[in-house]
Amino acid sequence: GEEVAQTPKHLVRGEGQKAKLYCAPIKGHSYVFWYQQVLKNEFKFLISFQNENVFDETGMPKERFSAKCLPNSPCSLEIQATKLEDSAVYFCASSPGTGEEPWSSEQYFGPGTRLTVT
Amino acid sequence: AQSVTQPDIHITVSEGASLELRCNYSYGATPYLFWYVQSPGQGLQLLLKYFSGDTLVQGIKGFEAEFKRSQSSFNLRKPSVHWSDAAEYFCAVGKTSYDKVTFGPGTSLSVIP
Repeated sequence: GEEVAQTPKHLVRGEGQKAKLYCAPIKGHSYVFWYQQVLKNEFKFLISFQNENVFDETGMPKERFSAKCLPNSPCSLEIQATKLEDSAVYFCASSPGTGEEPWSSEQYFGPGTRLTVT
Repeated sequence: AQSVTQPDIHITVSEGASLELRCNYSYGATPYLFWYVQSPGQGLQLLLKYFSGDTLVQGIKGFEAEFKRSQSSFNLRKPSVHWSDAAEYFCAVGKTSYDKVTFGPGTSLSVIP
């Protein structure tokens, strides 16, 4: 598709429950990025993929967070045993990442998934 | 490491007035610079971007930004603000098309009728 799709739009989990978020990048884009936006508008980079391979995971919390981008499937971000502090909007973005710079440098953002942990 | 500052947390302007939102970045080389807008409860929309060339960049919705290397700034401007421009504005910097984007803390814009 021509837009980054994220599901679900809203997700409510009790503390300690698992949360799984999905992202369908724009068709043909090679790179996928996950960002977390907390209440004070701060964006935190979590992880990026080049196709199905992890490209940069420097922002991923070591515990409880995992992500995958498998062929022919939406990418996913999973949080095991959610905590109150995980409440945030999670944005997925995709980028062509191919061809000549700089046109390929733009990241296209999805609408986000709002996770509320109660 | 790259970083972005937006000195103004909140700005209020009257409809029809001009607008300038400030952005300063820290990066060793020429960065890729972006301005995004986020309306309440919405995702991010790219207003404009700068990679190289002409330092005055035109974007959507009547916005423009000027890259000033000597000041490490990329300020966003609009000559006449509309009520629908009320939103959160984020300046961002990246290194390549493969790299994560680092966002500033955002500037909240309110527009008085």
